Amino acid sequence: EDQVTQSPEALRLQEGESSSLNCSYTVSGLRGLFWYRQDPGKGPEFLFTLYSAGEEKEKERLKATLTKKESFLHITAPKPEDSATYLCAVQNNNNDMRFGAGTRLTVKP
Amino acid sequence: EAGVAQSPRYKIIEKRQSVAFWCNPISGHATLYWYQQILGQGPKLLIQFQNNGVVDDSQLPKDRFSAERLKGVDSTLKIQPAKLEDSAVYLCASSLGRGRGYEQYFGPGTRLTVT
Repeated sequence: EDQVTQSPEALRLQEGESSSLNCSYTVSGLRGLFWYRQDPGKGPEFLFTLYSAGEEKEKERLKATLTKKESFLHITAPKPEDSATYLCAVQNNNNDMRFGAGTRLTVKP
Repeated sequence: EAGVAQSPRYKIIEKRQSVAFWCNPISGHATLYWYQQILGQGPKLLIQFQNNGVVDDSQLPKDRFSAERLKGVDSTLKIQPAKLEDSAVYLCASSLGRGRGYEQYFGPGTRLTVT
């Protein structure tokens, strides 16, 4: 069975303090690994898709990387508006999507 | 471009009652998904439609949950009868297709509380 484990469960940072979120996965045929951002009371918002080991994608202060076993979401010089829950998901060759429980990020000014 | 629309946004019912949720996907999106998100967990896929056909409903508790997507556009998810453990946010998502490169876009969700 496909599995996704995210760590840490919660992360508190000071504004400007860079850090990384981890997503470890096992999947029967990786079609894609996805990162989403979820604000309280809202649905997940798409950030990135990664398809193969070694791939990297960037968007503003966020950079996602992928290996054969895990993905990292690096946050550089975060701002309070980056506070949210970040969800990782893997999609297998049957198009089934499995999500992790998320990392709840709080950035203090 | 309009996003995925869902209604109602909130619903409170008593156990054993029935409830229905509605979803209107992004225009032109052939694939539609329903997820259940329990507080503190990631979304869990319940059912997946391609146009108006069911592709995968292996995680749908079929003794109480049902879903349909008439005419390949809007979809309805129903729970009958509801149990306390059904309290969750029900998310609808859509994508252009099912292949690689088709990201899923989510609606705001319906928060269900069963008392």
